[in-house]
Parts: sequence; structure tokens; C-alpha cells
Amino acid sequence: GQQVMQIPQYQHVQEGEDFTTYCNSSTTLSNIQWYKQRPGGHPVFLIQLVKSGEVKKQKRLTFQFGEAKKNSSLHITATQTTDVGTYFCAGLGEETSGSRLTFGEGTQLTVNP
Amino acid sequence: DTAVSQTPKYLVTQMGNDKSIKCEQNLGHDTMYWYKQDSKKFLKIMFSYNNKELIINETVPNRFSPKSPDKAHLNLHINSLELGDSAVYFCASSQVGGWTEAFFGQGTRLTVV
Repeated sequence: GQQVMQIPQYQHVQEGEDFTTYCNSSTTLSNIQWYKQRPGGHPVFLIQLVKSGEVKKQKRLTFQFGEAKKNSSLHITATQTTDVGTYFCAGLGEETSGSRLTFGEGTQLTVNP
Repeated sequence: DTAVSQTPKYLVTQMGNDKSIKCEQNLGHDTMYWYKQDSKKFLKIMFSYNNKELIINETVPNRFSPKSPDKAHLNLHINSLELGDSAVYFCASSQVGGWTEAFFGQGTRLTVV
């Protein structure tokens, strides 16, 4: 079955440093979504990427979708303490059911002030 | 109004008991899900319903039984609870399966003692 791997599992940074999490799928994806879960909270949708090579920005966050539509990354510039949380990618495989969004294992980000 | 609401938020119960978690969405979405999040933050899909029909039924013990009385509700009943069932259970909904963003409920933290 489809697998979505995400690295690193944990990342500790000093406030102001950059942060990147990477997501790799075993199969080609129709789309990839990114979610953020604050400690004690629930996953909240950040963005969806659909096109090969797509790049989207949200303030200090930059999202990329690979050319082969099998990998993606989330980069945060100059982290702030409000960025603390777990970041998940979730991919919809081209060959799988339209309801089967497969989540990566998540990257837990801590930011030291 | 909360978009996806689930109750209860916390559930502490003894091994062997039967319990239910309720979920309702007021977004008019067609697809609803149950996810299990373990202590390592892994989000695993358990079930997916589309217009009250079961679409995805992952490898979940048959002690877990979802029920969707209508498109806006998806409840989860668990029989003969075991220690390993302790986790956070999230209900979610989306307009069109994995093609659109998922909205998560606040989660139910289940502790089996």
C-alpha cells in the first residue's frame, strides 16, 4: 500500500533559525496537503499542492511539490515560538481511493526562545 | 458554531467496558473519517464514510464499529476496551474525500485503565 514518510521526526531550533520538513511518498500523488497540530490541539489545514513543481508561500512558510509528485517540503524562515507544533504532510495517491489521504508520521518542532 | 464537534473530549474507562464517541459536522461535507493518534503522534486512518456509506475500513479490530445515521454524523462504538486502545481519536470531514481539505474535531482522549 501507499506509504508516506516524513523526516525528521523531531526538530529543535533556536528562535530565528530556519526549519524544513520533508515528505516522501512511495507512489505518485494526485495532491499533497500540509497540516499543523499545536500541542494539545487538533490538526489544522495549512495548504494543498496539486501541480508538479508547485511552490506556494504563506508569509514565512514555503511549500514545494516535487516535479515527480512524489515528494514535498515545508520550509519555515526565521522560526518563532508560535511555530511550535507537529507538522504533517498528507498525500492522496493517484492509484488509491479518493478518500484515502495517507498522513506522514509528522515532524515535531520545538522552538527555544 | 464548531464545524466538527466530537464528544466527549476526555474518556477514562476500565478495561472490558463498551464506550461510544460521537461526531457531528455542520459543514455539509460528504466525507467523514475516524483517525487514531497514538502517543508518538502518528495519525492513522480507521474508517471513512462517504454519504453514509463505508468507503475505507482499515485493519482495525472488529471491536470498533462506526455508525453513520446520516451524512452529518459519524459515531464510533468500541466494545471490550483494551489498554492498547488508549489514544486520541479524531473525527474529521471533507467536502470531496482526499481532494479537499479535512476539518478535524477537537479529539477525544481515551484512557483505558
